[in-house]
Amino acid sequence: SQELEQSPQSLIVQEGKNLTINCTSSKTLYGLYWYKQKYGEGLIFLMMLQKGGEEKSHEKITAKLDEKKQQSSLHITASQPSHAGIYLCGAGRYNNNDMRFGAGTRLTVKP
Amino acid sequence: DGGITQSPKYLFRKEGQNVTLSCEQNLNHDAMYWYRQDPGQGLRLIYYSQIVNDFQKGDIAEGYSVSREKKESFPLTVTSAQKNPTAFYLCASGNTGELFFGEGSRLTVL
Repeated sequence: SQELEQSPQSLIVQEGKNLTINCTSSKTLYGLYWYKQKYGEGLIFLMMLQKGGEEKSHEKITAKLDEKKQQSSLHITASQPSHAGIYLCGAGRYNNNDMRFGAGTRLTVKP
Repeated sequence: DGGITQSPKYLFRKEGQNVTLSCEQNLNHDAMYWYRQDPGQGLRLIYYSQIVNDFQKGDIAEGYSVSREKKESFPLTVTSAQKNPTAFYLCASGNTGELFFGEGSRLTVL
């Protein structure tokens, strides 16, 4: 079974709306990585979080890692059709050399 | 340009045949990975290699084999022992946890 649980599994939002995707681990994370995938393509790195309480932003996407380093959220502000795709969180079990991923959240943005 | 290249992009094979998927990177990364992606299941780790001539099994290694004779190359063989090989296969490389992915190889076994 997946060690990283993502929710929701899929999400449909109207363009301009905000949304949040969550990623939860049962174990303390050494590092948490967010990726985006367009259907049938490879993954593109978005952000990396390592410290408890850390928050990073890139354009309209903000990711946070909680203080206990077991849960992360990805927030998109004023969503656009270009944000559509599958968002996956990833983490390594030990020192990030054996990266595993959550099942992904499929985001659809309706114009 | 630096990057990671997978080939072929699409592959059709008959049941019982072995298939080798190519993965080449010129990013000078030590670590390389193979993942399998099925609809609704995210990525599952097949094998990974942290250094030349060494590799470790991931969560679903049965029916697959790999080699790491060169730093740049990490080919994956899908053997006839793999019971359900039809899937999308992704190769990645990285040094610090940030992974760079290829465009994927879609294997269909008829």
